Amino acid sequence: DTGVSQDPRHKITKRGQNVTFRCDPISEHNRLYWYRQTLGQGPEFLTYFQNEAQLEKSRLLSDRFSAERPKGSFSTLEIQRTEQGDSAMYLCASSRLGDSNYGYTFGSGTRLTVV
Amino acid sequence: ELKVEQNPLFLSMQEGKNYTIYCNYSTTSDRLYWYRQDPGKSLESLFVLLSNGAVKQEGRLMASLDTKARLSTLHITAAVHDLSATYFCAVDRVGATNKLIFGTGTLLAVQP
Repeated sequence: DTGVSQDPRHKITKRGQNVTFRCDPISEHNRLYWYRQTLGQGPEFLTYFQNEAQLEKSRLLSDRFSAERPKGSFSTLEIQRTEQGDSAMYLCASSRLGDSNYGYTFGSGTRLTVV
Repeated sequence: ELKVEQNPLFLSMQEGKNYTIYCNYSTTSDRLYWYRQDPGKSLESLFVLLSNGAVKQEGRLMASLDTKARLSTLHITAAVHDLSATYFCAVDRVGATNKLIFGTGTLLAVQP
């Protein structure tokens, strides 16, 4: 298992454009999380999936943000009409329900810069 | 709402010295996590603390948990430059959803 994969690693986009990020979790993990981290801050929770169901969304997830996990495997996070304030590192994590180690494994992140 | 606070926010220390990072959280939590983050990198799991009085050690780092005080500590023994990084604590709660709530982080700079 290669861990949690995120693509792309870096994305530079012009304000107003749409962007989409992908996360491939560890294959046996049924829970998937998206976090956003701005410079000098801790990661902030955005949303959470258990299998294909999106069970919780943060207030931070405005209408311009949408996340999917259509087959309970990989997930996508789309940001429409990007704004400069969207510039951040977007982190994906996965975990397994019932895992006795209670571990969350994080991906390498996608760094978004909106110019 | 569950809140997590760390102090100090920035710690500059000399090699060979000892120091402690503190993590306070606001409400009952089920698990306490410590992560390390290098600049521009993702989060590396260090410790998961599951119960009151739990203590875990790895190399020069030791983490402990006091659930009654809602306090966890990360103790650094005889610091070396390679420990320079940002350290985050995080908590989660068992329930309808599990999610990690992170502290603000402690930037550790170990000077030779």
